[in-house]
Amino acid sequence: DTAVSQTPKYLVTQMGNDKSIKCEQNLGHDTMYWYKQDSKKFLKIMFSYNNKELIINETVPNRFSPKSPDKAHLNLHINSLELGDSAVYFCASSPQKGAHTIYFGEGSWLTVV
Amino acid sequence: QKEVEQDPGPLSVPEGAIVSLNCTYSNSAFQYFMWYRQYSRKGPELLMYTYSSGNKEDGRFTAQVDKSSKYISLFIRDSQPSDSATYLCAMSEGNQFYFGTGTSLTVIP
Repeated sequence: DTAVSQTPKYLVTQMGNDKSIKCEQNLGHDTMYWYKQDSKKFLKIMFSYNNKELIINETVPNRFSPKSPDKAHLNLHINSLELGDSAVYFCASSPQKGAHTIYFGEGSWLTVV
Repeated sequence: QKEVEQDPGPLSVPEGAIVSLNCTYSNSAFQYFMWYRQYSRKGPELLMYTYSSGNKEDGRFTAQVDKSSKYISLFIRDSQPSDSATYLCAMSEGNQFYFGTGTSLTVIP
């Protein structure tokens, strides 16, 4: 029973397209995150929601828009995809904001061609 | 200067060796220190965490924090081929998590 699940796992798309990545957690956690991992394995936070409220919004192009319909779901929509958006996107959750334990999904490998 | 510095490796050791992985940091406000393991094509999984200074042991893994030197370590005893992965350190302050870039470890049978 997967704790943090995200779909799709692999996504290949053309420049200029719009795509979404969906994430769901069944841990009962209050806080969810989107992280981006580049080719050098560096994990950078993009967004964080606590009980559907945006609490962290890092410097990310406004082509990226998160949406949290409820505290168990956090989706990421990306408009007008660019080559530089190619990366691995990880959804994660933690029991509450400021928690020191974060649980990650398996990742979504996005390739923009 | 990055908040967290970690040698990317790669590190290659024979099976059974003791492995030492390290991170340094600059922010003295960090309170929690975590180690994550990431297998290829998978998400990071939490190995262990430590609060403030001191040691914590879990099986073959020992985490060590020295706040005075702003230095943390993860030791793996009797390393196994299944330990081959990227190890990321992480630290937290309030709502913010800061990750190292990870050290790639290969344990050779």
